[in-house]
Amino acid sequence: AQTVTQSQPEMSVQEAETVTLSCTYDTSESDYYLFWYKQPPSRQMILVIRQEAYKQQNATENRFSVNFQKAAKSFSLKISDSQLGDAAMYFCAYSVGGYNKLIFGAGTRLAVHP
Amino acid sequence: ETGVTQSPTHLIKTRGQQVTLRCSSQSGHNTVSWYQQALGQGPQFIFQYYREEENGRGNFPPRFSGLQFPNYSSELNVNALELDDSALYLCASSPRTDTGELFFGEGSRLTVL
Repeated sequence: AQTVTQSQPEMSVQEAETVTLSCTYDTSESDYYLFWYKQPPSRQMILVIRQEAYKQQNATENRFSVNFQKAAKSFSLKISDSQLGDAAMYFCAYSVGGYNKLIFGAGTRLAVHP
Repeated sequence: ETGVTQSPTHLIKTRGQQVTLRCSSQSGHNTVSWYQQALGQGPQFIFQYYREEENGRGNFPPRFSGLQFPNYSSELNVNALELDDSALYLCASSPRTDTGELFFGEGSRLTVL
């Protein structure tokens, strides 16, 4: 079965500090994409970062970076210099190549404290 | 650039009724996907439309159906509503069918009584 597991239902971080959100997934495919999406209280989901499974180099987008361990099927998100606007639900997801069907995890709620 | 818009934002129906949810895709996007997000869970893929044809479907019964129009806007129809259909329904558009890079609307919150 294709699944995504986010083992941390809730996390918190102090403003300006660094936090890492965990994600593991299960797929037998070799070609796939991995994503982190953010869902603020306004509900609109926003793509944070994307990783192509065939690329060994970890993706980075400004303060957001991932640690992609393909053999371990692990895909964690690191947020550096956390800001109050980073507070949201974060969903890890993957899709098999050639398709926009995303398999989402249950999410991690991130709180950012001033 | 206009983003993805959905209507209505909230609605209440009773069991057995039918509902239609609407979505306008982002300008230039020809692919629309629909997701169901139950409370406290991640979104689940319902189906995807590309150039007015369904080209992918998740594990949802046939009473979930959709349409895509020539302007790439889309509808989600749910017949014979059940209590478990209560959820946030998210529409997402994309310029391609295969990258997973989706642009979401704010969703339609459906409550079935």
